[in-house]
This record gives sequence, structure tokens and C-alpha cells, in this order.
Amino acid sequence: QKEVEQNSGPLSVPEGAIASLNCTYSDRGSQSFFWYRQYSGKSPELIMFIYSNGDKEDGRFTAQLNKASQYVSLLIRDSQPSDSATYLCAVKVSGGSNYKLTFGKGTLLTVNP
Amino acid sequence: AAGVIQSPRHLIKEKRETATLKCYPIPRHDTVYWYQQGPGQDPQFLISFYEKMQSDKGSIPDRFSAQQFSDYHSELNMSSLELGDSALYFCASSLGLRNEQFFGPGTRLTVL
Repeated sequence: QKEVEQNSGPLSVPEGAIASLNCTYSDRGSQSFFWYRQYSGKSPELIMFIYSNGDKEDGRFTAQLNKASQYVSLLIRDSQPSDSATYLCAVKVSGGSNYKLTFGKGTLLTVNP
Repeated sequence: AAGVIQSPRHLIKEKRETATLKCYPIPRHDTVYWYQQGPGQDPQFLISFYEKMQSDKGSIPDRFSAQQFSDYHSELNMSSLELGDSALYFCASSLGLRNEQFFGPGTRLTVL
């Protein structure tokens, strides 16, 4: 079982709708959670990060974390065609010398005009 | 704002050749990470450096080595290249080990 699991999609939503992306992780020692957006052939771009249980909002993006359920999600409100990309969930297990990011395989989001 | 710089952006090599990838972190960032991303795959952690010392090691082949220099830039040296080394190589930087990582544009390595 991969340490970070995401639905590969594709997830297709109409323009203006809410896109909901989900991620689960297996290591309870995970402390930091990140969402990256990656366009095809480009580098991952940091969209959101969250460290504490609950919601964190930044513009059209909301990250939600539930450590008890080992679940993190990203909501994109008023989705735009330019949001079409692969969204990577990444987890950091901090402690000792381990500060690397472990990624899920990503969810491909398509926003239809 | 200044971002992570990687060079070269594209590199074509023959099997068994060597390659050197360079990474210049965001100014004031002291931590550098290297990731490899194969086609259709998620980024895989290779190695990281904090304050010029290796801080963590992932699935980096013995044929690869890396270091961080006094100006905090980092180089990934790859020898005896194999076809399977063809991938995107990303460098990311952060301010300290606990903070967010920002990725560079990547180097696309093609081994023929």
C-alpha cells in the first residue's frame, strides 16, 4: 500500500463548480500536509499547506485536515479551466532526519468550460 | 519573487555517460531537495541537504552523488547513465527543514 493515496481521476467538473480532491495517508507520524498543482511537463507548484486539524482557506482554495481519520482534502471553489491540472498531495513525516515529501500519484482535474 | 533555478533545462546523454545537474535555491534558503519524476509517476525523493550537510537520503542509486556548496547551490552528479534514468529531475528549496518546499522548473534528462 502506498503511503499516500489519491484517486487518480480524471475528475471532471464544469466551470464554476466546486472541485473536491481527497487524499489519505498511512503514517500517523505525519505532521505537515501539502497540495501541489502540476501542469503537464511542468514543476509542482505549492497551492496550500496545512499543519493543524480543521480548515484553512486561501482565496478559492480550502484545505481540510483530519488527523484522526488520516485524511486531507482540497476544495477548489468557482473552478476555472485554468485549474485543469494534476493535483499532488504530499505529506511530510517530520522528525529525526526525515523531512522529505512523500507524494501521492496525483489526481487529474479537468474543468470544462 | 526569485525562484529556484535549475540548469540545464534539457539534457541529452548516451548510455554510460555522466551528467551534472545544478540547482540554485531561492535566496536565503538553506535546504535543498532533489526529486526524480518518471513519466506518469509522482516525484520520488532522492536526497536532501541542510546547511551544506546531507540531511536525508532516499531512493538514490549509488551511481548518483550530490553535494551542497558554501553558497547553498547544489549539484547532482550522475554516472554510468542508464535508459531508466530518463526523467524529470526537480530541485526544491526551503528555509530550514520544517518549512514549505518550493520547486524549480526541473531538468529533463533523456538517456539514449
